[in-house]
Amino acid sequence: SQQGEEDPQALSIQEGENATMNCSYKTSINNLQWYRQNSGRGLVHLILIRSNEREKHSGRLRVTLDTSKKSSSLLITASRAADTASYFCATLLGYSTLTFGKGTMLLVSP
Amino acid sequence: GAVVSQHPSWVICKSGTSVKIECRSLDFQATTMFWYRQFPKQSLMLMATSNEGSKATYEQGVEKDKFLINHASLTLSTLTVTSAHPEDSSFYICSARDADRIGETQYFGPGTRLLVL
Repeated sequence: SQQGEEDPQALSIQEGENATMNCSYKTSINNLQWYRQNSGRGLVHLILIRSNEREKHSGRLRVTLDTSKKSSSLLITASRAADTASYFCATLLGYSTLTFGKGTMLLVSP
Repeated sequence: GAVVSQHPSWVICKSGTSVKIECRSLDFQATTMFWYRQFPKQSLMLMATSNEGSKATYEQGVEKDKFLINHASLTLSTLTVTSAHPEDSSFYICSARDADRIGETQYFGPGTRLLVL
């Protein structure tokens, strides 16, 4: 069963704009991770945030985690056409199983 | 960084034949590897967890006799789709967890696209 639910399902923006994607989950977690997948390719790990962390930055990425609301957000600032991809959140239950959400398809137009 | 490879990257086969997909961790040891299936425009669904030296753990609804998993070494796991049918056509992705970094990220292979005619 899927744990994470991303919102929105699809997002279309212009280059330079910021993109925000949200993820909600149902159970307690050890950490939450965000991945990017270009069309027909494998997954690229973007960032991991632990359950005791509230915010994390990596380059143009900013991730927040609210364990009380069981939600996370991924912000991509100053988006580029190369950021066009599907983005998935994934939660780690225990120390083994990584469960993926349905993903957000991001289209960044030049 | 850690690299996971998959082979082949794509395969076309006839209905009824078997297909083997390899997943290798190239620069780290992986006591645990995971196999996922992804249908077009959908998320990854975990099929099974492969543990080196022991039997794989399959998710509910995944036929273990159809999807044979072998984790023969700390760097290699194989998934064999037996008697493949058109409905098995999908994108299969493996991931591996560094044995020294339990609880941290998994490293994903580039995926294998299977088309069964």
